Amino acid sequence: SYELTQPPSVSVSPGQTATITCSGDSLPKQFTFWYQQKTGQAPVLLIYKDTERPSGIPDRFSGSSSGTSVTLTISGVQAEDEADYYCQSTDIASSVVEFGGGTALTVL
Amino acid sequence: QLQLQESGPGLVKPSETLSLTCTVSGASITSQSNSWGWIRQSPGKGLAWIGSLYQNRFMYYNPSLKSRVIVSADTSRSQFSLKITSVTAADTAIYYCASGFVPTSGPRPLYFDTWGRGILVSVSS
Repeated sequence: SYELTQPPSVSVSPGQTATITCSGDSLPKQFTFWYQQKTGQAPVLLIYKDTERPSGIPDRFSGSSSGTSVTLTISGVQAEDEADYYCQSTDIASSVVEFGGGTALTVL
Repeated sequence: QLQLQESGPGLVKPSETLSLTCTVSGASITSQSNSWGWIRQSPGKGLAWIGSLYQNRFMYYNPSLKSRVIVSADTSRSQFSLKITSVTAADTAIYYCASGFVPTSGPRPLYFDTWGRGILVSVSS
């Protein structure tokens, strides 16, 4: 098995940029996906295959990868972005799915 | 538009079997373009993948749950299901069914672009 590590929490003021990292030794060999989960709601896919954004997701959400870390960047953070964010990756050989522990974004 | 809806009992006794169903509308369970999966979230905790199904013949499971879990499909009802045996209080969670696009070529990592609303299942006597 492998682990994906995220910071438990990130705080940012409205209008600023939030960065949430996800690290794991297997990430250079695998795609990463990001989900947003607001309180009481099901998760929503934000980013797929490291950098791609599904239709309907605002372009202030972006993803990047570098080595054993991937990053979700939220530019011009809005109050409505306050949520939990999860990274996810899948081992291509075994198709085992792993989620990071999640990061709670607080908009100050 | 693809939609998923979980159903099943909200309360299960310890040592019994948890059984949930996900009804799919807007796509075929046997589609080559979709995988079908179950994810759970214990109270106040993060997301945990349970298992996934593809084309009704490829099943993939979380190694930590594999001995107790079965994911299967009923194509005639456009449903897929989850069974977890010998449940304990640690299996209390919101259970989500979800689907993910599978490309026709290249890498096919499992992920989830459509989610059901989730169903809370409590394990208690």
